[in-house]
Amino acid sequence: EIVMTQSPATLSVSPGERATLSCRASQSVSSNLAWYQHKPGQAPRLLIYGASTRATGIPARFSGSGSGTEFTLTIGSLQSEDFAVYYCQHYSNWPVSYTFGQGTELQIK
Amino acid sequence: EVQLMESGGGLVQAGGSLRLSCAASGFTFSSYAMSWVRQAPGKGLEWVSAISGSGGSTFFADSVKGRFTISRDNSKNTVHLQMNSLRAEDTAVYYCAKSGGTCYYDSSGYYYCSYNWFDPWGQGTLVTVSS
Repeated sequence: EIVMTQSPATLSVSPGERATLSCRASQSVSSNLAWYQHKPGQAPRLLIYGASTRATGIPARFSGSGSGTEFTLTIGSLQSEDFAVYYCQHYSNWPVSYTFGQGTELQIK
Repeated sequence: EVQLMESGGGLVQAGGSLRLSCAASGFTFSSYAMSWVRQAPGKGLEWVSAISGSGGSTFFADSVKGRFTISRDNSKNTVHLQMNSLRAEDTAVYYCAKSGGTCYYDSSGYYYCSYNWFDPWGQGTLVTVSS
């Protein structure tokens, strides 16, 4: 079973600054990785898939990178609406499985 | 616009059953795998179950295998999660989610489904299991 580990658990950043969130897989997941933003009381929102492809309608300040076991979500020039919990997710077609990281809470500093 | 709307959540005693439904609109429903994902209070996201576009293949997390079943009605654009033998640890908000890739028959007749990212998600329905 693949384990996804996110770091840090909590990240405090000031508006306008850059945030860097990390996700590590216990074994190679190639580029089968997605990132989601989740705010309380709302549906999770897809940000990035294929490790680096922005989903439709996602602002350019969100970018994803990495492959294999190490992945990064970078949010440039944080806006007030960006403060939320972010999850990475590994997905596999064979066998079918999905594994989420435990999340990183992005807080206003 | 793609929309997913869950229903059926509520309060149930441990050992009881509940059936969740997800009504979909805005896309060719039968062409996409669908999943259920849950979030327990104060916890992260956990994938629960997935079903192929045709409904012929189903998949479950180990934590619910043997207790939950998933089904779909492509004529009504709905997917269901039947939850039996519920436990306190099943208490969570349950989200319905559409797979990012399609299901199709290839040139040799093989049925292929993409089980990948989730986009979009519904707003969720709360299931509370009392012990």
